[in-house]
Amino acid sequence: ETGVTQTPRHLVMGMTNKKSLKCEQHLGHNAMYWYKQSAKKPLELMFVYSLEERVENNSVPSRFSPECPNSSHLFLHLHTLQPEDSALYLCASSLGLAAYEQYFGPGTRLTVT
Amino acid sequence: AQKVTQAQTEISVVEKEDVTLDCVYETRDTTYYLFWYKQPPSGELVFLIRRNSFDEQNEISGRYSWNFQKSTSSFNFTITASQVVDSAVYFCALSEAGAGGTSYGKLTFGQGTILTVHP
Repeated sequence: ETGVTQTPRHLVMGMTNKKSLKCEQHLGHNAMYWYKQSAKKPLELMFVYSLEERVENNSVPSRFSPECPNSSHLFLHLHTLQPEDSALYLCASSLGLAAYEQYFGPGTRLTVT
Repeated sequence: AQKVTQAQTEISVVEKEDVTLDCVYETRDTTYYLFWYKQPPSGELVFLIRRNSFDEQNEISGRYSWNFQKSTSSFNFTITASQVVDSAVYFCALSEAGAGGTSYGKLTFGQGTILTVHP
């Protein structure tokens, strides 16, 4: 595997379910990110981790809970979501912060019913 | 606060035409980074280029070229002799270095421009 991978690619969940999104990067990067992409909206940064430490929580509701057990893996735990949370969730990684380009995974298309 | 504006929501061209995608940004930092990404129908954002605020040289990579002008806060992207495979959503993005380089790397994206290249 190369680059940034995300699983699952598609997820349908009810509002009372608990699920997790997984991201893995094979690039030796030190920073990882979660973004949300909704229809007709710019990409929204959700969380940033640098060397496994969360450095930014961009006013994200607590029903989204990130976890970064090591520099290669990033999870997004989901619980009691709302229909408006349906979106494409993109994971990215970069060698460092700010100056470095981010490499994105293919995303997880989440539908909340 | 940083902001990126891509005024063109959708552009439609015929193959072999040249097309320019506009990007205008706002920032108070003197050190910042500009990026272009391509998002094909598969959904994955593909990194195309990074430019830092101190480097105003234009860049060419094959059929792609970028024009960075600090005087007008613009970072435009031109595709020469467009092809059907260029059809995608293109995003311009900005990252600020922050005071003392303390920025956590927040990428602010524009709304994106949907490019459709017809055969």
